[in-house]
Amino acid sequence: DAKTTQPNSMESNEEEPVHLPCNHSTISGTDYIHWYRQLPSQGPEYVIHGLTSNVNNRMASLAIAEDRKSSTLILHRATLRDAAVYYCILRAHMSGGSNYKLTFGKGTLLTVNP
Amino acid sequence: KAGVTQTPRYLIKTRGQQVTLSCSPISGHRSVSWYQQTPGQGLQFLFEYFSETQRNKGNFPGRFSGRQFSNSRSEMNVSTLELGDSALYLCASSGTGWGDTEAFFGQGTRLTVV
Repeated sequence: DAKTTQPNSMESNEEEPVHLPCNHSTISGTDYIHWYRQLPSQGPEYVIHGLTSNVNNRMASLAIAEDRKSSTLILHRATLRDAAVYYCILRAHMSGGSNYKLTFGKGTLLTVNP
Repeated sequence: KAGVTQTPRYLIKTRGQQVTLSCSPISGHRSVSWYQQTPGQGLQFLFEYFSETQRNKGNFPGRFSGRQFSNSRSEMNVSTLELGDSALYLCASSGTGWGDTEAFFGQGTRLTVV
């Protein structure tokens, strides 16, 4: 079964870039990598997702290793509002139509210092 | 555009009772999925409904069940509650299904079993 490993916590300073790693060494070829974040007392919110190529959106960038065994979520300039738990999630397609399996990481608590 | 609404926000039940939680998705979304979040196990996928049919299921006992109505609203039921069922229950809605598009989460229902 696929598994994701993330550091328990990381710390950053405001306005500096943050690189949040995720190890998924058992990933399969068709597994998508998703990142969500959860602010205190909120439900998770979507950040970014990708399959093989690096991805950019207004919130962040996702760098996927060539062997896909790891990925890094990049926040280009951290703000205090980025303080949250960041989850790395694998979505594995299963045989039989639209079946899939989700594997959640334990999440990384990001602290942003002013 | 209204977000995902979960009711109630907080619930206290006694061991052995049953409970029903409700989730109203974003208008137009046909996929609703449910999750359990605990400090020990983190986020875990319960099941997904799409157009009134259960499409995917996580690894939870049969005490956990759900349904989806024609207006896409979904309910989750837990029967014979155990102390270990105390958790934050989250639902998420998306247009076509988890992973193809971003999922929007509600704020969750905090269930305490005493």
